[in-house]
Formats: sequence, structure tokens, C-alpha cells
Amino acid sequence: QQQVKQSPQSLIVQKGGISIINCAYENTAFDYFPWYQQFPGKGPALLIAIRPDVSEKKEGRFTISFNKSAKQFSLHIMDSQPGDSATYFCAATAYSGAGSYQLTFGKGTKLSVIP
Amino acid sequence: NAGVTQTPKFQVLKTGQSMTLQCAQDMNHEYMSWYRQDPGMGLRLIHYSVGAGITDQGEVPNGYNVSRSTTEDFPLRLLSAAPSQTSVYFCASSYGLTSHEQYFGPGTRLTVT
Repeated sequence: QQQVKQSPQSLIVQKGGISIINCAYENTAFDYFPWYQQFPGKGPALLIAIRPDVSEKKEGRFTISFNKSAKQFSLHIMDSQPGDSATYFCAATAYSGAGSYQLTFGKGTKLSVIP
Repeated sequence: NAGVTQTPKFQVLKTGQSMTLQCAQDMNHEYMSWYRQDPGMGLRLIHYSVGAGITDQGEVPNGYNVSRSTTEDFPLRLLSAAPSQTSVYFCASSYGLTSHEQYFGPGTRLTVT
């Protein structure tokens, strides 16, 4: 059972455009929503994250929008650049009951920014 | 700081062979975990550890064993490799048991023929 649904699977955006990736979840126990960025041949790296008590978080060109009632959150990349071309994963964490938190990942979105 | 390191980077196994994927971190992180990444499947948790001597299963633990004898190391053992275990494996660690940010290693690409 997939707990975090991510769309689209792939995305092509012109340089300077806005990239939008959407995620939805069902588990109301999730309490932290990070986005990870992964370049080819590398491990994922934390890009930006949000807690459910805020509706938006912005870091440079990257913004997370969060809708708690709809159980949806999205990543917006403004002024997309070819260097942003990567796979993006949304994720959600919940207390695992074993003294730690576990990450549940979406299936990923491959973003290509073309000049 | 080397961060999270994994060896080997690439490995080819025949069905039925066993091997150990190595993972080490030098950040004194308590929490370590193993994920596998398959096309279109995202990252799925295999096993995790909340400290030395403590391990637990994740979403897809079958066919894998782990142990955690030190804070730094968290090896993943494949007991009898199967083609279904062809994947890219990532080790990750985080500071403290309630830290949400995980640091990932560079991955090991495993092919089982």
C-alpha cells in the first residue's frame, strides 16, 4: 500500500519556467514532509521540508505548499534551470514506535529542464 | 567528515551467492537504515537500526540480514542472492532518534544474474 502518492512521474520544463510536483498522503500520523533531490549516480539529499502547522515554506527558488485538510503538498521550483534536472522525491515521516521516525517516500518525479 | 560511505559501488552476483554491502558513517549518528531503489518504485526501507545492538525490519526485509555492532557501521547481508534483488542500495543515517533529516550514501548498484 503506497502511503505517499507522487505525480507526475516525469516532467519537462523550459528554462525559466515553473516546475510543479504534487504529493498526497492518507496517514494523518505523518508530521514532517521533506523533499529530497537526487542527481544521477548520487544518493538523495534533503532539499526542503515543512511541518503540517504551516501552509508554505520558501527557500530561494524552492517553495513547498501544504494543504493539511486535503492531505496534499507540492513542490514549486521557480525560474527552473538546467542544473535543477534531477529526480525529486516527496516523503513523509511518522513515529515508528521503536524510538525513531521512519521516512516513507513517493515514487519520484524525473525533472528535465531544457534550455 | 566523509559522511556516509558505501562499498562496493558496483557488484555483480550469481543467483545463490551471498555477499555483504558495507556502510559506514563518521557523524556519530544513532539512526542508520538501508533502502533499495528500483525504477518507478521510489525508495523502500529494508532494515533500520536505532543504535548499536538494535535493529528492526522495514517494508521489504525478506532476503536481507543486518547487524549493528558499532555506532559507525551497518552492513547489509544478502544470504542467497536472487534476480529480484537487483537494485540500487542506499544506506542512510540521521542524528538522534527523532531527527527527520537523513543523510544518504552514494549507493551500491547490485546486479544478480
